[in-house]
Amino acid sequence: DTGVSQDPRHKITKRGQNVTFRCDPISEHNRLYWYRQTLGQGPEFLTYFQNEAQLEKSRLLSDRFSAERPKGSFSTLEIQRTEQGDSAMYLCASSSHRGRYEQYFGPGTRLTVT
Amino acid sequence: EDQVTQSPEALRLQEGESSSLNCSYTVSGLRGLFWYRQDPGKGPEFLFTLYSAGEEKEKERLKATLTKKESFLHITAPKPEDSATYLCAVVNSGAGSYQLTFGKGTKLSVIP
Repeated sequence: DTGVSQDPRHKITKRGQNVTFRCDPISEHNRLYWYRQTLGQGPEFLTYFQNEAQLEKSRLLSDRFSAERPKGSFSTLEIQRTEQGDSAMYLCASSSHRGRYEQYFGPGTRLTVT
Repeated sequence: EDQVTQSPEALRLQEGESSSLNCSYTVSGLRGLFWYRQDPGKGPEFLFTLYSAGEEKEKERLKATLTKKESFLHITAPKPEDSATYLCAVVNSGAGSYQLTFGKGTKLSVIP
């Protein structure tokens, strides 16, 4: 299967701890996105990479959040000093640069901050 | 600011009972409108892209249509396996990132 993969699928952490999530996009896709989804809501955009460059960040992305995409392949999203309000599903998506805009999502990482 | 409103929030149908889901959008320029299906605890699954008013796309029991202000997802003779949350999203033509702006979704339940 060559879809988008995310790791871990579930993460439980205590308030104040740091967590890191990983996303492996579809191999030929150069665009990569992170979204956050809470219960009963649609996904909300967090940040966007084209190849290794982080080109856009949402105002939702506080200073405690940082994302990287070294070498334009996999990406990591780190949350420092987690808060209970960070509890959500974190979704990664990728898309091709070849004139099509549909994004393909991974299974998500469910974060619970206790 | 781009806005997407989906209705109804929840819909219960008997198996075989056809219906439509609505997605109203406000965007300064539409690059594309997207429909996704999401099962509980999973990531959204891509269904359709619509680019211009009048366009229609079909897949099995699903048909998506687009006007200048809204999109419909028509479900013909649904089966229990069609039960899921259906999400609508838009991409603004001015968005260099092509980021998706989603509605809250319609939760569809198909009863045998």
